[in-house]
Amino acid sequence: GAVVSQHPSWVICKSGTSVKIECRSLDFQATTMFWYRQFPKQSLMLMATSNEGSKATYEQGVEKDKFLINHASLTLSTLTVTSAHPEDSSFYICSAPTPGGNYEQYFGPGTRLTVT
Amino acid sequence: GESVGLHLPTLSVQEGDNSIINCAYSNSASDYFIWYKQESGKGPQFIIDIRSNMDKRQGQRVTVLLNKTVKHLSLQIAATQPGDSAVYFCAENPNSGYSTLTFGKGTMLLVSP
Repeated sequence: GAVVSQHPSWVICKSGTSVKIECRSLDFQATTMFWYRQFPKQSLMLMATSNEGSKATYEQGVEKDKFLINHASLTLSTLTVTSAHPEDSSFYICSAPTPGGNYEQYFGPGTRLTVT
Repeated sequence: GESVGLHLPTLSVQEGDNSIINCAYSNSASDYFIWYKQESGKGPQFIIDIRSNMDKRQGQRVTVLLNKTVKHLSLQIAATQPGDSAVYFCAENPNSGYSTLTFGKGTMLLVSP
């Protein structure tokens, strides 16, 4: 079946630095991908919708200048956390809609970001 | 029994019991619902879905029930196994024409041998 991968699976960075997370659809094309953030013991919160060939759509309250999204190709979306702070530490998960037109999404394995 | 933790309600069952996990959704216009299972440190995994024109759908050991009148969704797991221990989320598509999903708060299922 279709698979979504993320890289890296975990990353530790210092405050003030930037971190890039990659999301790839491995055997299907995705013109749209989604980025979620999940804090411990909480649900997934949609951050933004990544659109191939156009600007990302951000959810209310998500800073677009802090969380830069680039949908470089039909199989790759990247999320860059700029000037990271400890409060950005979280589990970041991407997903892509399944081919075929229903609303199911395939999820990546997630990236654990720790900002020290 | 069921208890409410700091953020996630928890359902504790014995191996072999049937489990019922409940979810209240928010948007009466939602037309598609999914249950996901999330193990610790991993991404969500699809379990079963249901469209709003149905009130019940069965899979292998799982059944989803939809009550649109009260905006309630439930996931029944038969003969629960220790490997079923995870957090379960319901998600709804708000029928906005896009494939976005809104996730519920989640329930942690703990299965004791």
